[in-house]
Amino acid sequence: SQTIHQWPATLVQPVGSPLSLECTVEGTSNPNLYWYRQAAGRGLQLLFYSVGIGQISSEVPQNLSASRPQDRQFILSSKKLLLSDSGFYLCAWSTGQGLGGYTFGSGTRLTVV
Amino acid sequence: GQQLNQSPQSMFIQEGEDVSMNCTSSSIFNTWLWYKQEPGEGPVLLIALYKAGELTSNGRLTAQFGITRKDSFLNISASIPSDVGIYFCARETSGSRLTFGEGTQLTVNP
Repeated sequence: SQTIHQWPATLVQPVGSPLSLECTVEGTSNPNLYWYRQAAGRGLQLLFYSVGIGQISSEVPQNLSASRPQDRQFILSSKKLLLSDSGFYLCAWSTGQGLGGYTFGSGTRLTVV
Repeated sequence: GQQLNQSPQSMFIQEGEDVSMNCTSSSIFNTWLWYKQEPGEGPVLLIALYKAGELTSNGRLTAQFGITRKDSFLNISASIPSDVGIYFCARETSGSRLTFGEGTQLTVNP
């Protein structure tokens, strides 16, 4: 069966520090991968999605970047965090065939102080 | 035109009551999805709808894809405390991307 792992679960980082969140998927190949951010427990905003290794599409301009170095690995990064980067970050995967939506990871709560 | 308008924003109900929430848009969709998110967790898919008029149940949950393809509702019957969470509607766009409504926060009082 397919599983998705996301870590860390919580993170407190100072302003100006770098960020690296990792997401990996098991049990499937060539998944579509996504990074979402959720502010204040409401509304999920799509940040990045990837349909293959090295292929990244950005949905909104921001202080973050994403990379997909391997088929089932998706990384969210920042060189210098801002206070406004605080939020709940969710990774998700789908088959990309429009069948049944996404499976989400358990999320990373990021607090920038 | 591609935004999803979800209502109500929040609901406070007593255990045993039925719940109804809905999602509308000015655009026609081919898919409606309903997710539930519990505190500190990622959303979990509850029901997926693929045809106009489709009515699908999952236990005490029932969802329908509106005939006009511009709306959907989710009903929860005989609510229990573990139904607490945020319920999101979502639709698929090109590139298999999902757009979400703003969510309905459900609180169930025992």
